[in-house]
Amino acid sequence: QKEVEQNSGPLSVPEGAIASLNCTYSDRGSQSFFWYRQYSGKSPELIMFIYSNGDKEDGRFTAQLNKASQYVSLLIRDSQPSDSATYLCAVSRRYNQGGKLIFGQGTELSVKP
Amino acid sequence: DGGITQSPKYLFRKEGQNVTLSCEQNLNHDAMYWYRQDPGQGLRLIYYSQIVNDFQKGDIAEGYSVSREKKESFPLTVTSAQKNPTAFYLCASSPAGVTDTQYFGPGTRLTVL
Repeated sequence: QKEVEQNSGPLSVPEGAIASLNCTYSDRGSQSFFWYRQYSGKSPELIMFIYSNGDKEDGRFTAQLNKASQYVSLLIRDSQPSDSATYLCAVSRRYNQGGKLIFGQGTELSVKP
Repeated sequence: DGGITQSPKYLFRKEGQNVTLSCEQNLNHDAMYWYRQDPGQGLRLIYYSQIVNDFQKGDIAEGYSVSREKKESFPLTVTSAQKNPTAFYLCASSPAGVTDTQYFGPGTRLTVL
């Protein structure tokens, strides 16, 4: 089992719809969770981070964390063609296990006009 | 402007040659990281450093070497021992600790001919 798993997609949604991206992780002790967006040929850029159970909203983006079920999701409301990119989920390992970020393989999102 | 710079953007190398990738940051971040990304894959950690003159191996350190003589600089050498060096190399930094939010440079695309 991979430490961090994402559906590779592609996930295709129409413009204006809600895009839902999911990520599961194996280490129950993980404490920090991040979503990055990566355009083709570019480096990842941070969208959001979340540490506590529940929802965290920032503009059109909402991160949801459920530690009991070990999943974190990213919702993009009113999706735009410019949101088309690969979205990387990253989870921190516990510090006493060499704590560092572990990245999923990414989910490709395509927003159709 | 504060940020992370990587050079060169593109690099071509003949088999059997060592090559050094540059990474500089002026964000006053303590920790720096090197990742490798292959097509359709997530990021894999090569090396990381939390303080000057100290660094640790990541998950795929074989065939690579680093140094951290200055807080703002973390160069990566890809040696001839690295079997499949063609990849997109990403440098990142974070304010403190290895589980803090990481910010990425623009990347260097290395091709071995």
